[in-house]
Amino acid sequence: GAGVSQSPSNKVTEKGKDVELRCDPISGHTALYWYRQSLGQGLEFLIYFQGNSAPDKSGLPSDRFSAERTGGSVSTLTIQRTQQEDSAVYLCASSFGGQSPEKLFFGSGTQLSVL
Amino acid sequence: SQQGEEDPQALSIQEGENATMNCSYKTSINNLQWYRQNSGRGLVHLILIRSNEREKHSGRLRVTLDTSKKSSSLLITASRAADTASYFCATVPSGSARQLTFGSGTQLTVLP
Repeated sequence: GAGVSQSPSNKVTEKGKDVELRCDPISGHTALYWYRQSLGQGLEFLIYFQGNSAPDKSGLPSDRFSAERTGGSVSTLTIQRTQQEDSAVYLCASSFGGQSPEKLFFGSGTQLSVL
Repeated sequence: SQQGEEDPQALSIQEGENATMNCSYKTSINNLQWYRQNSGRGLVHLILIRSNEREKHSGRLRVTLDTSKKSSSLLITASRAADTASYFCATVPSGSARQLTFGSGTQLTVLP
C-alpha cells in the first residue's frame, strides 16, 4: 500500500479483555516500531523489529504486552487483560532500517479505550 | 523515559510571524529529527539533522543543532494557519540503540 496501515482505527473494550492491534508497514521497509501516546503526551517506545533480528522489547510496560511480526511484514500488538491505564493511541511506524533510524513513516494509529 | 524535551509546551502566534521551538536532550546522538502531528494521530517526518551538522534548511523550515549544549531548534518562517499542529523532536542515541526517543512536543497554534 501507499502508507502504513493500522487497524482498527478505534477500539473500545472492557477491562480484563484481550485486544489485538494490527500494523501493515510500507512494502520493503525492514524496520517496524510500535509507540504509545497518552492524551497530550509524547510518544512512548514499546517495541522495535528489524528484519530477522530479535526484537527490541525494552519498552514493553508489562508482560501483558506482546508483539509479533510475521514474515517480516505485518505486525500484531497484543494486550492481554486490558487495564484502564492502557487507554491511549497506539502508533505503528516503519522505515528502511539500517545503522541508524531515519525518517519513520507513521500510520494513523489505533485509539484504544478501556472501560 | 523522555530523551528530548521541547520548549515551549505551547506557542500561539499570528499568521506571517516566525515560530521557534526548542528541544533539549540528554545523551550523545547520531541524529535528531523533527516530526509534526495533526489531531493526535499519525506523525509526519519534517527534517533530519545529523550530529556532524549544525544547520539545515527545508522550505520554510530551518533546524539548528548544538551538540555541545545538547539542544536543537526548529524555526518555521512566515507561518500559516495550516502549520497549526504539535511538533516533536526525536533523537537517535549514539551506539547500538535503534529506537527514536521522542520529546513531549510543542503545540503550535497559528492564528489567521
